[in-house]
Amino acid sequence: GAGVSQSPSNKVTEKGKDVELRCDPISGHTALYWYRQSLGQGLEFLIYFQGNSAPDKSGLPSDRFSAERTGGSVSTLTIQRTQQEDSAVYLCASSLGHDLAKNIQYFGAGTRLSVL
Amino acid sequence: GNSVTQMEGPVTLSEEAFLTINCTYTATGYPSLFWYVQYPGEGLQLLLKATKADDKGSNKGFEATYRKETTSFHLEKGSVQVSDSAVYFCALSDRASSASKIIFGSGTRLSIRP
Repeated sequence: GAGVSQSPSNKVTEKGKDVELRCDPISGHTALYWYRQSLGQGLEFLIYFQGNSAPDKSGLPSDRFSAERTGGSVSTLTIQRTQQEDSAVYLCASSLGHDLAKNIQYFGAGTRLSVL
Repeated sequence: GNSVTQMEGPVTLSEEAFLTINCTYTATGYPSLFWYVQYPGEGLQLLLKATKADDKGSNKGFEATYRKETTSFHLEKGSVQVSDSAVYFCALSDRASSASKIIFGSGTRLSIRP
């Protein structure tokens, strides 16, 4: 596609429910990243994919968070048993290669998650 | 661990004023440094980058120089415009094994008055 596409753009859920956030990267981009932007905070790295594997998932805040990527393309970030502190904007980015000194990272518009 | 510290906002300036947004970093090795910008209602986008010491990144009239001796990457623009109003993020790349990820500062909101 023309850019990184994320859906839904907004998600309101009740505490304790599971949510799935979707990212469709730029076609041909092998590297895919998830970040979280909380109110008053900077952007926090969550997980990185190279193809379908995740060499770095060090940023996932708890075992309630998981992500997968299939076919080297679409990725889904799943948050189980959501808590109010999970409320944030979740950003996805992709790049042609994983060396960010040589490749530009393109960001989607994000999914704003609100947990009531 | 690696980290980025940037000046807190909001920063409010008049049009045509000189802009400086300070950024310092802590890193092992030789990271690449970036400034990203988030315009109102839009996604985050790369503004400029520098990959080694003394490199100067520039774009849209903005400049930043990679200063290893002071571990800084301050963003400057000689004459700001209303259209520059946005949130600016300083960042560095964190290489670990075969992966590479970005560590961001907390962001500085810039507002330009006509």
